[in-house]
Amino acid sequence: DTAVSQTPKYLVTQMGNDKSIKCEQNLGHDTMYWYKQDSKKFLKIMFSYNNKELIINETVPNRFSPKSPDKAHLNLHINSLELGDSAVYFCASSPRDRRRGYTFGSGTRLTVV
Amino acid sequence: AQSVTQLGSHVSVSEGALVLLRCNYSSSVPPYLFWYVQYPNQGLQLLLKYTSAATLVKGINGFEAEFKKSETSFHLTKPSAHMSDAAEYFCAVSGTYGQNFVFGPGTRLSVLP
Repeated sequence: DTAVSQTPKYLVTQMGNDKSIKCEQNLGHDTMYWYKQDSKKFLKIMFSYNNKELIINETVPNRFSPKSPDKAHLNLHINSLELGDSAVYFCASSPRDRRRGYTFGSGTRLTVV
Repeated sequence: AQSVTQLGSHVSVSEGALVLLRCNYSSSVPPYLFWYVQYPNQGLQLLLKYTSAATLVKGINGFEAEFKKSETSFHLTKPSAHMSDAAEYFCAVSGTYGQNFVFGPGTRLSVLP
């Protein structure tokens, strides 16, 4: 069973479109995250959710919005896509005991054309 | 606040040679430290972690790391490189309770035959 699963794995879309990426974890973790990895492999946290409450919101454009219907899901919605949004987006989750580290999904490669 | 630096964005070693990937951290509180590996087109996988127990930490695939508080370092080593070790390696630090989890910029390891 996949611990943290993201869909789709690849997403190619035109500028101006609105798209969503889904994430689900079956680990029973209480916090989920979205990270953006740029072309230089640098990882930047975008959002985290703990029990449906947004607890980290870095300086990302408000075109990006996380939505968590329940503890096991954290979806990422992106409006009015721009070329600069092209990147790999990773979902992750962590338990209450953060010493155990984060578990990552396999990533969604978003290409905006 | 926590931060991480990784010396060398790209490291090349010969198969069978020692692998040494450097990580230095800055933290205002006793840190938790992690090493993650990212194989091509995959997500991040936890290699090992330091959480204030033994300073020499053993991880998967023969990797180990030593926490040196005096040097604020957490370098990753492996005695003998395999071709399958070629990947991107990320060091990460968080606060004592797992807050402010921050990744370093990553080091790409190439293994030459």
